Amino acid sequence: ELKVEQNPLFLSMQEGKNYTIYCNYSTTSDRLYWYRQDPGKSLESLFVLLSNGAVKQEGRLMASLDTKARLSTLHITAAVHDLSATYFCAVVLDSGAGSYQLTFGKGTKLSVIP
Amino acid sequence: NAGVTQTPKFRILKIGQSMTLQCTQDMNHNYMYWYRQDPGMGLKLIYYSVGAGITDKGEVPNGYNVSRSTTEDFPLRLELAAPSQTSVYFCASSPTGIRNYGYTFGSGTRLTVV
Repeated sequence: ELKVEQNPLFLSMQEGKNYTIYCNYSTTSDRLYWYRQDPGKSLESLFVLLSNGAVKQEGRLMASLDTKARLSTLHITAAVHDLSATYFCAVVLDSGAGSYQLTFGKGTKLSVIP
Repeated sequence: NAGVTQTPKFRILKIGQSMTLQCTQDMNHNYMYWYRQDPGMGLKLIYYSVGAGITDKGEVPNGYNVSRSTTEDFPLRLELAAPSQTSVYFCASSPTGIRNYGYTFGSGTRLTVV
């Protein structure tokens, strides 16, 4: 069974500070996805990491993937209030027959305080 | 493009009632999924489909049924609603054989069973 663990689950940080969210997973996978969810809203795709060593950046967010360590990080640089949301990582479980399923972590609720 | 459309957005059911959550996508995606999201628990897969006429169980299928008669539609049926089915339900879709983009999610249905 594929397990995906995120930490921390709750993160309160001041504007302008840096922080990292961690995503560990239990079985081999070479694809990892990060999503953002605003309160009461759907999930929005942030990053797709497709191979070991992949790094993607968008604005103040940077995601990386280490498949050997089964670890992905989401680094926040100089946080601003607009980044307040819940962030999920998700890992592919290849069920065969060309299909795939995403297994999600529990999410990290980020609050950026002015 | 509308993407993935879910109806209704909100619903209150009494214990023992039944209902169907509708999901339609206009992106010609073969793969479709139903997830439920409980507070602090991430998303759990209920059912998925790899094409019209083909469905399979996910992690938490009990109390639900699905059908896939067309590529566009993937309704989720709740029979004999129970309080444990109070949750937010998300439908998602993805292209066949293309793993570069993850899922496209609908806006969700918030269901309360009383």
